Amino acid sequence: GAVVSQHPSWVICKSGTSVKIECRSLDFQATTMFWYRQFPKQSLMLMATSNEGSKATYEQGVEKDKFLINHASLTLSTLTVTSAHPEDSSFYICSARQGGEQFFGPGTRLTVL
Amino acid sequence: DAKTTQPPSMDCAEGRAANLPCNHSTISGNEYVYWYRQIHSQGPQYIIHGLKNNETNEMASLIITEDRKSSTLILPHATLRDTAVYYCIARGYQAGTALIFGKGTTLSVSS
Repeated sequence: GAVVSQHPSWVICKSGTSVKIECRSLDFQATTMFWYRQFPKQSLMLMATSNEGSKATYEQGVEKDKFLINHASLTLSTLTVTSAHPEDSSFYICSARQGGEQFFGPGTRLTVL
Repeated sequence: DAKTTQPPSMDCAEGRAANLPCNHSTISGNEYVYWYRQIHSQGPQYIIHGLKNNETNEMASLIITEDRKSSTLILPHATLRDTAVYYCIARGYQAGTALIFGKGTTLSVSS
């Protein structure tokens, strides 16, 4: 099946710094990628839809200036958490769409101190 | 996408079949039933999907009732590694829209 990778798998940063998370579709091209966030003991929550070459579409309540998404190529989308704070600590998961299927990355654990 | 309802948790003995139910009484004719699972601290893993016929693959079987208002995911011989949260999602087979996850069923397999 299609493979989606994320880097890094975990990151610890200081409050106020920015963190970039990469999502790659390894063996297919994805015009659409999605970013989810998951807090402990909760389900995945969709943050935004990223389309190659255009601006991302953010879900209600997600700050677009805080969570910058760039989908510059058909195999790479990045999520940058700007001026991170402890409440941004979470498990971030990306997903790529191929036809009617959706494939998920392994997730990135962000801890903001 | 149609709303789905799943029990919050289920237990299963190792080696036995795990039958996970899902109710999707408002599903529309063009919506498929998808099943994903998430093992702790990992990304969701695709299991199976179907429209109206029963489906089987190397991981599981999907049984959809004739009226399509409910379905059952069957893991024929559960192992400890099948302990995970299982999500049932109803959605159209179309490009562009994301899967929306509910609370799912936490399946605990014990020896």
